[in-house]
Amino acid sequence: SQQGEEDPQALSIQEGENATMNCSYKTSINNLQWYRQNSGRGLVHLILIRSNEREKHSGRLRVTLDTSKKSSSLLITASRAADTASYFCAPNPGGSNYKLTFGKGTLLTVNP
Amino acid sequence: NAGVTQTPKFRVLKTGQSMTLLCAQDMNHEYMYWYRQDPGMGLRLIHYSVGEGTTAKGEVPDGYNVSRLKKQNFLLGLESAAPSQTSVYFCASSIGGAGTQYFGPGTRLTVL
Repeated sequence: SQQGEEDPQALSIQEGENATMNCSYKTSINNLQWYRQNSGRGLVHLILIRSNEREKHSGRLRVTLDTSKKSSSLLITASRAADTASYFCAPNPGGSNYKLTFGKGTLLTVNP
Repeated sequence: NAGVTQTPKFRVLKTGQSMTLLCAQDMNHEYMYWYRQDPGMGLRLIHYSVGEGTTAKGEVPDGYNVSRLKKQNFLLGLESAAPSQTSVYFCASSIGGAGTQYFGPGTRLTVL
């Protein structure tokens, strides 16, 4: 199994600004998933992007995937205080390797 | 639809005591997982199951045992708790190995 590495480790912005988080991974993937974790809660799935997709949108979220660079980015537009959370990427190799592994995440703080 | 539930929510143990954490899901998912989350370490996979009656080791299995006697339940056991097992434990489930994982709310365990 492989682990995604999120960058930066922490990000602090003002409400209304955009937030960009990056993820790098090491081997080929079937898909890559992004999750959010609010303090003291379980992870919540945000979006899944398949290896043959380059960009995907969901509301204020935009995810890009560059398989040649083995990287992905998550953009949150017009951030709100409620977006304050840790964000994790999980590259999924697929096939018989069905274990997602999570990195340490990016802690996003959105200041009102 | 309750999704994934975990019991108990909190527990304090003394070193050497045993306990069982219960995870239940009502989504008819085949795959279930147990993770632990420690400050600065992200989530680490302890054990997982790809179907009723199956279990497999994850990244950090030592000191834990699991059982999946019923498809909807995945039990995590600590036979002789140690302070190093103080952590927040999350259960998750998914339809298949490459898909979205759905997480429970977590169990906060303290071993004194």
